[in-house]
Amino acid sequence: GAVVSQHPSRVICKSGTSVKIECRSLDFQATTMFWYRQFPKQSLMLMATSNEGSKATYEQGVEKDKFLINHASLTLSTLTVTSAHPEDSSFYICSASPANQGTQYFGPGTRLLVL
Amino acid sequence: AQKITQTQPGMFVQEKEAVTLDCTYDTSDPSYGLFWYKQPSSGEMIFLIYQGSYDQQNATEGRYSLNFQKARKSANLVISASQLGDSAMYFCAMSSNDYKLSFGAGTTVTVRA
Repeated sequence: GAVVSQHPSRVICKSGTSVKIECRSLDFQATTMFWYRQFPKQSLMLMATSNEGSKATYEQGVEKDKFLINHASLTLSTLTVTSAHPEDSSFYICSASPANQGTQYFGPGTRLLVL
Repeated sequence: AQKITQTQPGMFVQEKEAVTLDCTYDTSDPSYGLFWYKQPSSGEMIFLIYQGSYDQQNATEGRYSLNFQKARKSANLVISASQLGDSAMYFCAMSSNDYKLSFGAGTTVTVRA
């Protein structure tokens, strides 16, 4: 149980385009999902908290207009990197928690390369 | 504010031996959770073990055990009988009431045959 999927696993795009990443909880409902970013050899940095049916909460320094988050259902959250630039190249990983549980289960991550 | 400190950037361990990964934390919240995750080179984050701040006993999960010393604010992970597949990055993390996770810098473990 507690499986989280992400799609795509890897994406290469041109500078200026937008990229959408999906995060799904496969066998449980998640009212809250989290989006992280990880640069090589570094730790995970929380970008935002995605809440089903309401606006996402962004961490300090994260541009909400650049990283659009939509939590359309109890099993799906999407992150859209708008007008991507090479500095947005990173490993993006989402997580979700079953209701009333504190443990976060992570998706397999998405490697984004912006050329 | 919460802070997680992992002071060991990398460690080598011989196969079948035990290894201890250090983690200290700082928080003003009376209730919090401590987690350890494993991240192999593929990038996925694998949940290993959880310890609640009010748990009286140290958590154990198979070959993983968490040495929780509340007064010292430490939550070290012990991996017993290391296997080659244990080679990975290990992250200590802490959550409080808002369920957000704060991660340490990580420790790379390399198991030698």
